[in-house]
Amino acid sequence: DTAVSQTPKYLVTQMGNDKSIKCEQNLGHDTMYWYKQDSKKFLKIMFSYNNKELIINETVPNRFSPKSPDKAHLNLHINSLELGDSAVYFCASSQAGGGLNYGYTFGSGTRLTVV
Amino acid sequence: DAKTTQPPSMDCAEGRAANLPCNHSTISGNEYVYWYRQIHSQGPQYIIHGLKNNETNEMASLIITEDRKSSTLILPHATLRDTAVYYCIVRAKRNAGNMLTFGGGTRLMVKP
Repeated sequence: DTAVSQTPKYLVTQMGNDKSIKCEQNLGHDTMYWYKQDSKKFLKIMFSYNNKELIINETVPNRFSPKSPDKAHLNLHINSLELGDSAVYFCASSQAGGGLNYGYTFGSGTRLTVV
Repeated sequence: DAKTTQPPSMDCAEGRAANLPCNHSTISGNEYVYWYRQIHSQGPQYIIHGLKNNETNEMASLIITEDRKSSTLILPHATLRDTAVYYCIVRAKRNAGNMLTFGGGTRLMVKP
């Protein structure tokens, strides 16, 4: 059983398109996150979300928006895709307390290529 | 959250202990030290964390100096599958959004 699953694994799309990446966790965690890993391999937090609050990294363009239909899902919507959005996007989740005792569990990533 | 400094890369012979250092000289009293690793093309994986006492689990040991300004992650018998980027992260018990901030990490290459 995959703990944190993301779909699709690969996504190739043209500039200007709108796309979504889905994330689901079956761990019963209450907080989910999206990270972006660019070509230089730096992992940057984009969003933190639980049923109480959404925390947005101030550097994230408003073309990116997380949507959570329920506690087990946090999807990432991206509008008007740009070349610079090409990266690997990782979803993660943690237990109550922000993963203090058991850490975060990450998905396997979605490689987005904008052409 | 305090900043960490790690060497960009290290080599280790297979079967030997890998000792990965991390400097966090500005750590605060309420900040924990976390270690994660990222094997090529996979998501990061939690390894271990500690506050001030040394910790050990099935994956690794974490040694934190008495002044807490530095720590060392020890993989006792490194295997080829331990080749990865290892991230040392310092994080307060509570921060906005409970976010985990990654630095550049150390690229560990385990060689046969």
